[in-house]
Amino acid sequence: QSALTQPPSASGSPGQSVTISCTGTSSDVGGYNYVSWYQHHPGKAPKLMIYEVIKRPSGVPDRFSGSKSGNTASLTVSGLQAEDEADYYCSSYAGSDNVRFGGGTKLTVL
Amino acid sequence: QLQLQESGPGLVKPSETLSLTCSVSGGSISSKSYYWGWIRQPPGKGLEWMGSIYYSGTTYYNPSLKSRVTISVDTSKNQFSLKLSSVTAADTAVYYCARDLRHRAAWYFDLWGRGTLVSVSS
Repeated sequence: QSALTQPPSASGSPGQSVTISCTGTSSDVGGYNYVSWYQHHPGKAPKLMIYEVIKRPSGVPDRFSGSKSGNTASLTVSGLQAEDEADYYCSSYAGSDNVRFGGGTKLTVL
Repeated sequence: QLQLQESGPGLVKPSETLSLTCSVSGGSISSKSYYWGWIRQPPGKGLEWMGSIYYSGTTYYNPSLKSRVTISVDTSKNQFSLKLSSVTAADTAVYYCARDLRHRAAWYFDLWGRGTLVSVSS
């Protein structure tokens, strides 16, 4: 099974918007509305930011939003802040009780 | 506030069995609403779900690891554990435990531990 494909890096200046993509197949991202996104600051516990493509857990700023088109899901961070600099991982249900993750994207706030 | 904490040896020899425990505090592992999972991240690579367990002992495993992974639960200690057999250098990774929402047909992990690095080397 292949991991979901994410760009290794993304960047933006404070206040700008940046979008991170997550590409899979019709067997995972394209086949289900079960894409989630996680923020990971090194040394800390990963944090759920988006689930079921577009939903935000309580406490996650509305600057974070998710979307999906076909086999590609996206995470958009608007109004970039310094604390948004982190690694971001997508995941998707892949059928047969299996969950697949992406390779991760390092977001740099310039 | 529920918290998860991984523990176990940081170094394992090739061909041996890696064993880790996740201690759950601030809540009960016997909650009927959640599974409990293990996820790992090799250096420089992405995350990989390894498997998840319900308090009753029902398990689900990643097909790519199924032959080598065993996850168990000890409700009396509010812990669950991971065993990975016949390890090689490719099993060197940071291992995370997390709360798994699959029991609600919700395929995500809403709480994670900080992870523990396990190196496989002689």
